[in-house]
Amino acid sequence: QSVLTQPPSVSGAPGQRVTISCTGYSSNIGAGNDVHWYQQLPGTAPKLLIYANNNRPSGVPDRFSASKSGTSASLAITGLQAEDEADYYCQSYDSSLNTSQFGGGTKLTVL
Amino acid sequence: EVQLVQSGAEVKKPEESLKISCKGSGYSFTNYWIGWVRQMPGKGLEWMGVIYPGDSDTRYSPSFQGQVTISVDKSISTAYLQWSSLKASDTAMYYCARGSYYDFRDAFDIWGQGTMVTVSS
Repeated sequence: QSVLTQPPSVSGAPGQRVTISCTGYSSNIGAGNDVHWYQQLPGTAPKLLIYANNNRPSGVPDRFSASKSGTSASLAITGLQAEDEADYYCQSYDSSLNTSQFGGGTKLTVL
Repeated sequence: EVQLVQSGAEVKKPEESLKISCKGSGYSFTNYWIGWVRQMPGKGLEWMGVIYPGDSDTRYSPSFQGQVTISVDKSISTAYLQWSSLKASDTAMYYCARGSYYDFRDAFDIWGQGTMVTVSS
């Protein structure tokens, strides 16, 4: 069981904005450890979407953004497209467990 | 092109041993952490551990410490994930991924294609 909690699923219509939360503890996100976000399309390997809280790797559209506050972080996707339908994972280091962990994942459905 | 290429799918019996590989190319292999991630069928991602090829410094998740061994052969730019005695519960897709060059807690920016391990009697 992960110490990073994500909603199991979110959905939105094309063109809409959706957010995915990642709730942690004072030992991980709240300790100032960076949060990273990944997208996993069906049947493929994960892909880095956001690193170090709010940075996009080259090639990731600016429709994807992220933020962090206190013991939580969130990923926002604007202008939702059918191709965004995927599983999304947050990741952060936990200073008490001495390990990085992924959130449980959130399945995004584009209606 | 920076890439990680993993070894092919494996079908093994319980109690057998296994070593899967992950070969890096297109970058300085010794200078970037390499991590392993498990994904059980229909489930989420699990961070297993990382290794720094330059000096073989290895960090394991407590959940996987003692269950697997992560190693590297920097002469051939290859990282390994090894089991001495497989269990049916080891059935999963295993991904290797490249971390940063200075902190093992950083994001994984390049991922291998995955190696499916099936353990069944």
